[in-house]
Amino acid sequence: DTAVSQTPKYLVTQMGNDKSIKCEQNLGHDTMYWYKQDSKKFLKIMFSYNNKELIINETVPNRFSPKSPDKAHLNLHINSLELGDSAVYFCASSQPMTGGEQFFGPGTRLTVL
Amino acid sequence: QKEVEQDPGPLSVPEGAIVSLNCTYSNSAFQYFMWYRQYSRKGPELLMYTYSSGNKEDGRFTAQVDKSSKYISLFIRDSQPSDSATYLCAMRRTFGNEKLTFGTGTRLTIIP
Repeated sequence: DTAVSQTPKYLVTQMGNDKSIKCEQNLGHDTMYWYKQDSKKFLKIMFSYNNKELIINETVPNRFSPKSPDKAHLNLHINSLELGDSAVYFCASSQPMTGGEQFFGPGTRLTVL
Repeated sequence: QKEVEQDPGPLSVPEGAIVSLNCTYSNSAFQYFMWYRQYSRKGPELLMYTYSSGNKEDGRFTAQVDKSSKYISLFIRDSQPSDSATYLCAMRRTFGNEKLTFGTGTRLTIIP
């Protein structure tokens, strides 16, 4: 009965590769987010979708492309991976009309070699 | 200067002590304040959620917000080794689905 799940949990890849991370939530929430957590534990918003529509797009390289096929899923595709992309990527979801508390997934630890 | 400042620690206290964790912020438009707990290699878990100034208590945890000073606190009473984690403050301006702005987190260790 996992609320927010992400796959894969770990991802190790070479520079220049393209990879995707998937997120699913079974909370019935309308809004989903991608956050990046760097080595110093700083969490920063990347994107947010509300009911499949992009509503937040922070200053992120256009190598990062989110996609929401339905409101329960939000995927993140990264092209031409760079060393600086190594981080933990967290998906989160919230229901805006009932307070907007954000619930986070377990994270995907990406290591670019 | 970051919008939200939080002492990264590490902070070590003996079991049973009262722990005080704090954040300061610069944007007076922030109205909704949260504390998340993050265990090593896990996702952040929402602990406390408060609106505007005042106190909120939940078991051993108390969240305080002082908007006039732009200062928020989390107190943990009777601290336990299981409280050892990184504590992140977060805040936003409006009700709904606005992004959260996080502090850098304070790493806390409770010594048995």
